[in-house]
Amino acid sequence: KQEVTQIPAALSVPEGENLVLNCSFTDSAIYNLQWFRQDPGKGLTSLLLIQSSQREQTSGRLNASLDKSSGRSTLYIAASQPGDSATYLCAVRGTYKYIFGTGTRLKVLA
Amino acid sequence: GAVVSQHPSRVICKSGTSVKIECRSLDFQATTMFWYRQFPKQSLMLMATSNEGSKATYEQGVEKDKFLINHASLTLSTLTVTSAHPEDSSFYICSARAGTGTTGELFFGEGSRLTVL
Repeated sequence: KQEVTQIPAALSVPEGENLVLNCSFTDSAIYNLQWFRQDPGKGLTSLLLIQSSQREQTSGRLNASLDKSSGRSTLYIAASQPGDSATYLCAVRGTYKYIFGTGTRLKVLA
Repeated sequence: GAVVSQHPSRVICKSGTSVKIECRSLDFQATTMFWYRQFPKQSLMLMATSNEGSKATYEQGVEKDKFLINHASLTLSTLTVTSAHPEDSSFYICSARAGTGTTGELFFGEGSRLTVL
């Protein structure tokens, strides 16, 4: 059974810092991995999608990497801003469904 | 990016009534949609996978007679919470997968907050 864990569960950093969010999964047989952002009381916004054959994806200040063999993905946020404050979730896609991580609640202080 | 619309965003109902939530993919066809439930400060729990034109596949522990899912077209899936009770109060989120095969990206609706009095 696939299990997805995110560390840390919560993170508070001053504005401008570069930071790394971690996502680990127990079953490496995945099709892709996706990072999402969720603001309080809202749905999820897709940030980056990494296919199983890819090692990383970049969008603006965000960079996501995938090491399928070790069951890990990282989301790197450069020059963090208060607007980045949200919960970040990773999800891995197996044969039939997506399994979500536990999330990291990020707070960027002005 | 692709857009998924979910309606209503908030609903308050009395215990014993039924509530229908709609999920629409606005600019793409979605053969598969997913329904999730989220409790406060927790991650998403998959309730069921909805495939267009066929019966939904429910996760273990989810009552199919309680949570009726219909996916009658490639752009619309509905979740009906039947005979709702206070313990059904939660945040329900739908998602749709763009494309086919194994590479499709997942897009989410804005969620529906259900409060059962």
